Amino acid sequence: SQTIHQWPATLVQPVGSPLSLECTVEGTSNPNLYWYRQAAGRGLQLLFYSVGIGQISSEVPQNLSASRPQDRQFILSSKKLLLSDSGFYLCAWRGGSQGVKTFFGQGTRLTVV
Amino acid sequence: SQQGEEDPQALSIQEGENATMNCSYKTSINNLQWYRQNSGRGLVHLILIRSNEREKHSGRLRVTLDTSKKSSSLLITASRAADTASYFCATSPYSGAGSYQLTFGKGTKLSVIP
Repeated sequence: SQTIHQWPATLVQPVGSPLSLECTVEGTSNPNLYWYRQAAGRGLQLLFYSVGIGQISSEVPQNLSASRPQDRQFILSSKKLLLSDSGFYLCAWRGGSQGVKTFFGQGTRLTVV
Repeated sequence: SQQGEEDPQALSIQEGENATMNCSYKTSINNLQWYRQNSGRGLVHLILIRSNEREKHSGRLRVTLDTSKKSSSLLITASRAADTASYFCATSPYSGAGSYQLTFGKGTKLSVIP
């Protein structure tokens, strides 16, 4: 069976500090990978998606970047965090035997102070 | 931009009652998926319905899709306190580069009172 791991669960970072959130998927190969952000009381906004190693598409211009160094690893980064980067970040995957169903990690609560 | 819009925004019912949530969307879709989110947690996939399907069941869940009205509904029968969560619909467009993506509504917050 497939599983998705996302860490850390919570993170408090000062303004101007770097960020690295990691997501890995197990039990499938060549998945589509996604990073979403959820603002309080709202739906999810797609930030980045990747259909293969080294292939990143950005949906929203922002202070963040994404990388996919390995087939089942997706990383969300920032060089200098802003207060507005606070939020709930969710990694997701789709593909393989699951077809078009999209599955999510447990999320990372990021607070920039 | 928001594609799906859930209705109502919040719903409070007694345990044992049925809960119905609706979702409307704007453009042609390939499929529509419903998710549950417990407070502060990730999204749990509930059910997927394709554009050529009208109804699907999974346990106590029933989903309908009306592509002519661009709407879907999620029915939870015999609700339990553990069903308390936010519920989101998400759509994938029919074709094009965006077909890789899901577009979410803002969700319905369901409270089931024991």
